[in-house]
Amino acid sequence: GAVVSQHPSWVICKSGTSVKIECRSLDFQATTMFWYRQFPKQSLMLMATSNEGSKATYEQGVEKDKFLINHASLTLSTLTVTSAHPEDSSFYICSAPQQGSTQPYAYTFGSGTRLTVV
Amino acid sequence: AQKITQTQPGMFVQEKEAVTLDCTYDTSDPSYGLFWYKQPSSGEMIFLIYQGSYDQQNATEGRYSLNFQKARKSANLVISASQLGDSAMYFCAMREGRNNAGNMLTFGGGTRLMVKP
Repeated sequence: GAVVSQHPSWVICKSGTSVKIECRSLDFQATTMFWYRQFPKQSLMLMATSNEGSKATYEQGVEKDKFLINHASLTLSTLTVTSAHPEDSSFYICSAPQQGSTQPYAYTFGSGTRLTVV
Repeated sequence: AQKITQTQPGMFVQEKEAVTLDCTYDTSDPSYGLFWYKQPSSGEMIFLIYQGSYDQQNATEGRYSLNFQKARKSANLVISASQLGDSAMYFCAMREGRNNAGNMLTFGGGTRLMVKP
């Protein structure tokens, strides 16, 4: 089946530093990638939608200068949390719609990145 | 307004019994899809079952079935013969539009299911 590889699985960084999270589609082309954030005991909230070769679309309240999204190829989308602060500590997870598969409704999720900012 | 509502923050069920997790949704789009995902403590999202808005029959996948009541805008998940491994967070989600191309999933608040031995 379709796989999205997400790295790193977990990361601890110091306040003020930047962290890059990668989502790579291994066996299909992901023209779109959805980036979600999940705080403890809460639901997944969409942060932004990236499309290959164009600027990402951010949800209301998400700082585009803080959460930089790049989708330069059909198999790689990245999220960079710049100048991270403790309140950015969360679980970040990406999701790509499977296109051209026998299950046109399916979405493939990465395994998630648990970010802790100290 | 909430598009997906899960009114049960937590539920207990006895092992081997059936359990129903509630989900109601709100959309004006005639074409949509409804999903249920399981999220264990590891965080991965495990797809369980899907129901399209035009599907005439309720979806079933093994021990999972979706009780789709379109007029009431509800899409409850039924898990039969609960197992200890079913203990996890369960999310109901909706995609508006005919297919997934470019269309995000909107998630409900989740229900934590705990299966008692």
